[in-house]
This record gives sequence, structure tokens and C-alpha cells, in this order.
Amino acid sequence: RKEVEQDPGPFNVPEGATVAFNCTYSNSASQSFFWYRQDCRKEPKLLMSVYSSGNEDGRFTAQLNRASQYISLLIRDSKLSDSATYLCVVPQGGKLIFGQGTELSVKP
Amino acid sequence: DADVTQTPRNRITKTGKRIMLECSQTKGHDRMYWYRQDPGLGLRLIYYSFDVKDINKGEISDGYSVSRQAQAKFSLSLESAIPNQTALYFCATSGSGTTEAFFGQGTRLTVV
Repeated sequence: RKEVEQDPGPFNVPEGATVAFNCTYSNSASQSFFWYRQDCRKEPKLLMSVYSSGNEDGRFTAQLNRASQYISLLIRDSKLSDSATYLCVVPQGGKLIFGQGTELSVKP
Repeated sequence: DADVTQTPRNRITKTGKRIMLECSQTKGHDRMYWYRQDPGLGLRLIYYSFDVKDINKGEISDGYSVSRQAQAKFSLSLESAIPNQTALYFCATSGSGTTEAFFGQGTRLTVV
């Protein structure tokens, strides 16, 4: 099992839709988690941090399920500008372990 | 100016050549990382360093070496480049503990 695995993409959704991605991790001792956004092979940038059960920032909600070892990212009212690749990151022993990314394409 | 700067941004090199990718940061972070990205594979860790004297191999270190010349500088070398090292390379930094990482703009390397 990979250390960090994400839903395979791509996700193609219409504007205004709600979409959710999942990320599973193998190390039950992991305490913090991150979602990064990456546009067109540019550098990843932090979208949200998750340190407890979850986090919410506007249209974006991240939830953590420790028992099942997954985190999810929910995007409500999708915008064209949300089209990007979303990367799940789990720190382990000081290293930052990335999932393979989930591509989202929001269509008019 | 960017907090994390990578040079060069793009490079085409021939098989067998030695090439160095450089990374410098102004964040004052102790931790620095080198990743490569290939389509469909996400970012894979090549090497990481927690301080100048602490350098560690990541999951795909074969064929690569690194040097941490100072807290702010971390370079990645390909001693003898091969075509399957064609990829997008990112340098990143982070503070101590499980904190946000900041990335350079990437180096697109092509080995022909």
C-alpha cells in the first residue's frame, strides 16, 4: 500500500457543482495533513491545513477521519478557476509525502 | 523576489553529462527538499535535509546527489544524466515540525 493515495482523476464537473476528493494514508501516527493546489505544472501552493477533525475556508472544507485514515477535500459551488490538480500531503518523520494528485476540471 | 529560487528554470542536456540544479531560499528555514514530478506520479522525494549536516535519501535517490552548502542553499546533481531523468524538479523548504512547505518555481529538465 502506498503511503499516501488519492482518488484517481480526472474529475470533470460543471460550474456550481459540489465535488469531493479523498486521500488515504498508511501511517496511523500522522498528526497533520495538507491539501495543496497545483496549476499547469507550476509550483504547488498550500490550500488548507488539517490538524484536528477538519478545517473550513469559504467554499473549501477538509475533513479528517482518523479511524479510517483518510482526509477529504470538499469544494462547493465550483468555479472555473478551481480547475487544477489537488495534492494531498502527509508529513512523516519530517518528510513531506505527496499523493499522486487529483485533477479537477470545471466546465462552463 | 521569490522566497525559494531555483536555477535554471529550463535545461536541455545530453545523456552522460553532469548537471547541477540549484536552490536558494530566504525563508530562514532549516529543512529543504528536492522532488521530481512525472505525469501521473505526483511529487516523489529525492533527497531532504534538516540542516547543513543532516542529509537524507528519499524514495528515489539513485542517480542523484546533493550538497547543502549553507542553510539557504541546497543543490541537486545528476552525475551522469539519463533520459528517464527527464522531469520537472522542485525544491521546497519548511520550518521545523509539521509546517507548510514553500516551493520554488521548478526546473524543467530534458535529457536527450
